[in-house]
Amino acid sequence: SQKIEQNSEALNIQEGKTATLTCNYTNYSPAYLQWYRQDPGRGPVFLLLIRENEKEKRKERLKVTFDTTLKQSLFHITASQPADSATYLCVGGAGNKLTFGGGTRVLVKP
Amino acid sequence: GAVVSQHPSRVICKSGTSVKIECRSLDFQATTMFWYRQFPKKSLMLMATSNEGSKATYEQGVEKDKFLINHASLTLSTLTVTSAHPEDSSFYICSAREARGENTEAFFGQGTRLTVV
Repeated sequence: SQKIEQNSEALNIQEGKTATLTCNYTNYSPAYLQWYRQDPGRGPVFLLLIRENEKEKRKERLKVTFDTTLKQSLFHITASQPADSATYLCVGGAGNKLTFGGGTRVLVKP
Repeated sequence: GAVVSQHPSRVICKSGTSVKIECRSLDFQATTMFWYRQFPKKSLMLMATSNEGSKATYEQGVEKDKFLINHASLTLSTLTVTSAHPEDSSFYICSAREARGENTEAFFGQGTRLTVV
């Protein structure tokens, strides 16, 4: 079955450093990948969408890549801040169907 | 970005009663809305896909008679948990996408924390 795997459950990082999160997909080829931020007790908030024909996308301090050879997306938060602490979800999309990764909990320490 | 409003954000109900959760797309039309359930420290689990003007499509293992979905307009879908039991206690989240084709981002509601006592 198609899977989206985020390979670390938790990531602790020092303020100011770059956080890099990994998302791998297996058994299918998503047409696009989305990244969301979710805070405890809240719904996911959309951050970025990258399509399979795009290599890289940026939005402010966020950067996401899509490598169809490695079947992987990397999500970077540069100059991280304590306010970036949250769970980040990688979501693969094909048509209307979304497949969710388990999420990576990021903690940015001052 | 587009806004999806979900109401209520929290509800406590007695076992055996029914609870309705609303999901509205505030500034766009959504022909399709999705309902998810999320357990603590787990990712979202799709329950059903709600199509405007037609019956919802339920995922395997989700009881359609227990989780009633109505999508009466392009901006409103409702999930009714019927005869709720404590095991139905969970975080329920809806999402919607703009009716402008596929491969577009989904926007999520704030979620509803349901506690059945």
